[in-house]
Amino acid sequence: QKEVEQDPGPLSVPEGAIVSLNCTYSNSAFQYFMWYRQYSRKGPELLMYTYSSGNKEDGRFTAQVDKSSKYISLFIRDSQPSDSATYLCASDTGRRALTFGSGTRLQVQP
Amino acid sequence: GAVVSQHPSWVICKSGTSVKIECRSLDFQATTMFWYRQFPKQSLMLMATSNEGSKATYEQGVEKDKFLINHASLTLSTLTVTSAHPEDSSFYICSAKRTVMSTDTQYFGPGTRLTVL
Repeated sequence: QKEVEQDPGPLSVPEGAIVSLNCTYSNSAFQYFMWYRQYSRKGPELLMYTYSSGNKEDGRFTAQVDKSSKYISLFIRDSQPSDSATYLCASDTGRRALTFGSGTRLQVQP
Repeated sequence: GAVVSQHPSWVICKSGTSVKIECRSLDFQATTMFWYRQFPKQSLMLMATSNEGSKATYEQGVEKDKFLINHASLTLSTLTVTSAHPEDSSFYICSAKRTVMSTDTQYFGPGTRLTVL
């Protein structure tokens, strides 16, 4: 079993839709949770960083962590075609490199 | 946000040659950098952890004699793929760890696409 599981998609939504991206993890030692966005042939770009359970909002993006169920989510409101990318969740114990999910490919149709 | 650069952005080389990839943190110092590789439509796989002034720590299954890592300064880590073969063709991405107020965050470079003929 992978430490971080993520549905690879692809996920296709119309412009303006609310997007929900999800990951589950198995390592109870994970304390930090991140979402990265990666455009094709580019390096990942940090979108959201959370430490504790609960919600964190930044513009159109909301990251949600539920440590009791080991579930992390990213919500994108009013999705735009420019949001089309691969979204990677990542977790960290604080002592080593990140453990990434497989990434979910998102396509926002204009 | 913090900026991490990689050079070159892409390289094509012949089988048997060596290729060096540089990773630089441009506006912060990074005692720890990481090297990942990514195959098409797959996630990032950690290859090694690069620590400034000491030997790199390699993940299981990664040949340290083939993938030489040097982290000679707080802003530069290099990955040298020695005697490259076509199966080494991949997207290599580095990241640099930045600590701000006891919080660690990794910032990624734009990646280097290596094609071995």
